Amino acid sequence: SQQGEEDPQALSIQEGENATMNCSYKTSINNLQWYRQNSGRGLVHLILIRSNEREKHSGRLRVTLDTSKKSSSLLITASRAADTASYFCATDAFPRSNYKLTFGKGTLLTVNP
Amino acid sequence: EAQVTQNPRYLITVTGKKLTVTCSQNMNHEYMSWYRQDPGLGLRQIYYSMNVEVTDKGDVPEGYKVSRKEKRNFPLILESPSPNQTSLYFCASSLGGASTSLYGYTFGSGTRLTVV
Repeated sequence: SQQGEEDPQALSIQEGENATMNCSYKTSINNLQWYRQNSGRGLVHLILIRSNEREKHSGRLRVTLDTSKKSSSLLITASRAADTASYFCATDAFPRSNYKLTFGKGTLLTVNP
Repeated sequence: EAQVTQNPRYLITVTGKKLTVTCSQNMNHEYMSWYRQDPGLGLRQIYYSMNVEVTDKGDVPEGYKVSRKEKRNFPLILESPSPNQTSLYFCASSLGGASTSLYGYTFGSGTRLTVV
């Protein structure tokens, strides 16, 4: 079963605007991670937030985690055309049985120049 | 450069013809995994390995085999491919153990397999 579900499925914005993507999950987690995938290519790890953290920053990325609501958000500030990609959240469930990451279906972000 | 290398990048084959997709990592990672990605279904785990000679099934293992004889290699074997195995396949690796909670996965570039 799908653990993480991203929302929206697709998002189109203008260059310079901020992009916010949300992820909801169902079970308790050790950590939640966000990945980027350019069309047909491998996924690239962006940022990891542990279950005892509420917010984390990395460059233009800001991730929040609300374990009471079982949700996370990824904010990309001052977006660029190069940010056009699919973004996936992935959860590492607790208690850990095999360190498996379960991925959502992704949000397709299009940044128009 | 630290990376996960998959080969081939593209493969078209016929039903029933055995094939192997290779995966190699140069980061001394303990944990390796195979995923398939299909439209509308996202990424689903096929098999994983927590270390040499330790492998186990993921969510969709039917029709696939794996082996882990060396730490760096984790090939995916389709002994009798069928059209429903047409998909985009990814190999991924991680340090493993508690480190998996710190660093995430490193993915290969993917293998697009078509079975006709």
